[in-house]
Amino acid sequence: DTEVTQTPKHLVMGMTNKKSLKCEQHMGHRAMYWYKQKAKKPPELMFVYSYEKLSINESVPSRFSPECPNSSLLNLHLHALQPEDSALYLCASSLTSGGAGDTQYFGPGTRLTVL
Amino acid sequence: EDQVTQSPEALRLQEGESSSLNCSYTVSGLRGLFWYRQDPGKGPEFLFTLYSAGEEKEKERLKATLTKKESFLHITAPKPEDSATYLCAVQARQGAQKLVFGQGTRLTINP
Repeated sequence: DTEVTQTPKHLVMGMTNKKSLKCEQHMGHRAMYWYKQKAKKPPELMFVYSYEKLSINESVPSRFSPECPNSSLLNLHLHALQPEDSALYLCASSLTSGGAGDTQYFGPGTRLTVL
Repeated sequence: EDQVTQSPEALRLQEGESSSLNCSYTVSGLRGLFWYRQDPGKGPEFLFTLYSAGEEKEKERLKATLTKKESFLHITAPKPEDSATYLCAVQARQGAQKLVFGQGTRLTINP
């Protein structure tokens, strides 16, 4: 089973709201990722967690705050977002982080709209 | 700098008309090349991982091949349900935690 689940599927929020995106995998993977994807563009890496520790932050604004409560769960806390943050947010996981040919498996994504 | 270029940007085919998508790459040591399929509004679906030049992998109507500079995704006798964006990504030796994605090829199969 190579399933990564994400909730919610869709989210509409105002610029003053606080919301969270959730991601879960039960494949025993020790690396988890957040990506942002705009229309007709490839996914853009935001954060990497390896063994529940943040290992990469791609200079993402502080209004995005990741959290990895345990090896199966990954959250993305959102606060004071801007309309340009509207995008598809993708979670992915892989067995390890940086292992040769380590395949990343993606979830279905959360479609975020910021009004 | 590691780079991935996919061509063409978009491709329209008739059902049953075979073709190939190209992924050219320059990396500082290839650790893996990945092909994904993505339907509109959904997450990328993993297709293949290739590790070294000369390697080939097949799945139904799809076949991926790898050389030292490029990878091809061959689609044989495609069906309308093969319509999607196909993404190529590489994992380099330096910065191995990251995938470098190409811009994708949007494939449309007309019945």
